[in-house]
Amino acid sequence: AQSVTQPDIHITVSEGASLELRCNYSYGATPYLFWYVQSPGQGLQLLLKYFSGDTLVQGIKGFEAEFKRSQSSFNLRKPSVHWSDAAEYFCAVGEGYGGSQGNLIFGKGTKLSVKP
Amino acid sequence: ETGVTQTPRHLVMGMTNKKSLKCEQHLGHNAMYWYKQSAKKPLELMFVYNFKEQTENNSVPSRFSPECPNSSHLFLHLHTLQPEDSALYLCASSQAGTGGSYGYTFGSGTRLTVV
Repeated sequence: AQSVTQPDIHITVSEGASLELRCNYSYGATPYLFWYVQSPGQGLQLLLKYFSGDTLVQGIKGFEAEFKRSQSSFNLRKPSVHWSDAAEYFCAVGEGYGGSQGNLIFGKGTKLSVKP
Repeated sequence: ETGVTQTPRHLVMGMTNKKSLKCEQHLGHNAMYWYKQSAKKPLELMFVYNFKEQTENNSVPSRFSPECPNSSHLFLHLHTLQPEDSALYLCASSQAGTGGSYGYTFGSGTRLTVV
C-alpha cells in the first residue's frame, strides 16, 4: 500500500536560513507527488507537484522540491526562509488516475517555526 | 466566487445540538472529500463522494452524516457529538479519478468546538 513518511514532526530555523523538509514515499509505480502548506486555522494550499520529467520542481513562494527515485524521496527546499513561511507542511503521494478514485495519501506533516 | 468555500468558519455546539457544515465548490469538480484534522490525528479522511455517490466511508461514527445533493455541494450533518469530535473539518474537491494526479483543492475549514 502507498504511504508517505515525514520524519520530522517539528523543525525550527532562523529567518534567512535555508530549509529542507524531508519526505519519503512508498509506491509501486511512478508516483505523483505533492507538497501542501497549511497556515494556522486555514486549509491546505498546493505549493508544487511532480508528475514526470525534470526531477527538480519549482513551486510558489520560492519553494522547490527534488524527486529522487533511488531514495524514494521528494524533499522540499527553500534557500532563504521568511517569517511568513512558519506553517505546517504536508507531503502527499497520488494514486494517479481512476480505479481508486485518484486519492491522495498524506504524510503526518512537519511544523515549521521561524526564529527572528 | 471561485475555489472551495466552507461555512461556517467557526462553530461551537453542545453535545445535544444538531448542526450542519457546508462546502461549496465553483471549480467544476465532481469529487468531494471531508477530512478531520485534530492535534492527535492529522488529516483523517472521513468521506469521499464521486459524482454525488459516496465511494468511501472510513469507519466514521454515525453521528456524522454526509450529504452530497450535487457535485458542487457537500454537507456534513452533526448530531450528538462528543468533545473529542472538536477539530478542524476540511472539505476538498477534485476531478473524479484524477485527484491523485492533479491534487485536491481545499477549503479553509470549519473549526468545530463541542462543549
